[in-house]
Amino acid sequence: GPKVLQIPSHQIIDMGQMVTLNCDPVSNHLYFYWYKQILGQQMEFLVNFYNGKVMEKSKLFKDQFSVERPDGSYFTLKIQPTALEDSAVYFCASSRTGGPSYEQYFGPGTRLTVL
Amino acid sequence: QQKVQQSPESLIVPEGGMASLNCTSSDRNVDYFWWYRQHSGKSPKMLMSIFSNGEKEEGRFTVHLNKASLHTSLHIRDSQPSDSALYLCAASKANTDKVVFGTGTRLQVSP
Repeated sequence: GPKVLQIPSHQIIDMGQMVTLNCDPVSNHLYFYWYKQILGQQMEFLVNFYNGKVMEKSKLFKDQFSVERPDGSYFTLKIQPTALEDSAVYFCASSRTGGPSYEQYFGPGTRLTVL
Repeated sequence: QQKVQQSPESLIVPEGGMASLNCTSSDRNVDYFWWYRQHSGKSPKMLMSIFSNGEKEEGRFTVHLNKASLHTSLHIRDSQPSDSALYLCAASKANTDKVVFGTGTRLQVSP
């Protein structure tokens, strides 16, 4: 079936550094999402993105977070500067069209560890 | 804040048995329910969705939805060891793309 890829699978960085998480969504999908999952807790919505713009974001999407997808390349989540509480698994998802009744396809996640 | 509660937290069933998983939303405005399965270290994959009251069956999997009580359940008959995974329930509303996930039920099917 359709696959979402995420690069890297693991990232370890020092607090205060910048990190960029990369997502390669399903090729004909137009809506993109990031979720955050702290170990042992539920996966939580961060942001969704369409046509070059953030459509919705949650309280977890702090000012240090930004997303973009320049010229159809990777959909990225950048955190600058990172904090200890940013340690989590970040899942990217994409869907062919928007709307709550359309399936989102998830990537395998990037495990981010902030030291 | 909308919450999705799942029960039980973990479940062990024998191979060939029936597994029943529950999920309830705290938000009365929820319109859509999803069940995802996530094998260890892998991405969550959508198993089934249900948007209307009643029951939906696909192979060994059956979902029920009672919109009045905002409760959905997933039943897996003839459970197989390959069904061992984390099962995530999710809910969404008509006016948003935001999907709210529960903490999951970890199912183990013992051979």
